[in-house]
Amino acid sequence: EAGVTQFPSHSVIEKGQTVTLRCDPISGHDNLYWYRRVMGKEIKFLLHFVKESKQDESGMPNNRFLAERTGGTYSTLKVQPAELEDSGVYFCASSQTDGAAQHFGDGTRLSIL
Amino acid sequence: GESVGLHLPTLSVQEGDNSIINCAYSNSASDYFIWYKQESGKGPQFIIDIRSNMDKRQGQRVTVLLNKTVKHLSLQIAATQPGDSAVYFCALSRNDYKLSFGAGTTVTVRA
Repeated sequence: EAGVTQFPSHSVIEKGQTVTLRCDPISGHDNLYWYRRVMGKEIKFLLHFVKESKQDESGMPNNRFLAERTGGTYSTLKVQPAELEDSGVYFCASSQTDGAAQHFGDGTRLSIL
Repeated sequence: GESVGLHLPTLSVQEGDNSIINCAYSNSASDYFIWYKQESGKGPQFIIDIRSNMDKRQGQRVTVLLNKTVKHLSLQIAATQPGDSAVYFCALSRNDYKLSFGAGTTVTVRA
């Protein structure tokens, strides 16, 4: 079984540019989550999808971040415009149900210059 | 939100010995607890989980202990191997989806 895959693995962009991260969950997992870890901090929850619906986006930092999951399969997280403080590692996770263990991808390391 | 703390940020263990990694939490309403292992350049890898209606659960070479009275969680690794060197995170939730993570303990296995 393929795990959670994320693309790209690394992204380096300049402040003010736009970046889109992609996550493909484990096949059949309706629940998809985004987390991020900024330098020196703990991994923090961003949002949760059940199929194509956003269940909880309370962790999204501000309106420069937009997550979508059209069709309930893969998800994208767009940052527009990127700011320096957005640098960090963005993780995606998925689970079969919302009570099941979350399985993580290897993350996208985002660097804003 | 939940506050999750660790007792030690680093742990050095002799190969073959048992490892114990600890985690403390603040919210007594937390009902689901997970341990993850993260190797360099990888994402957190699920090790074992436990729900609040249990106080112990065992996996392959790993045991998780939950003490709800003192809000303490621990991960025990038996016969630690070099491949166990990694950062270990405890995570918890009280609603089955929004995980709160601790800062992580870096485990180094000495040959």
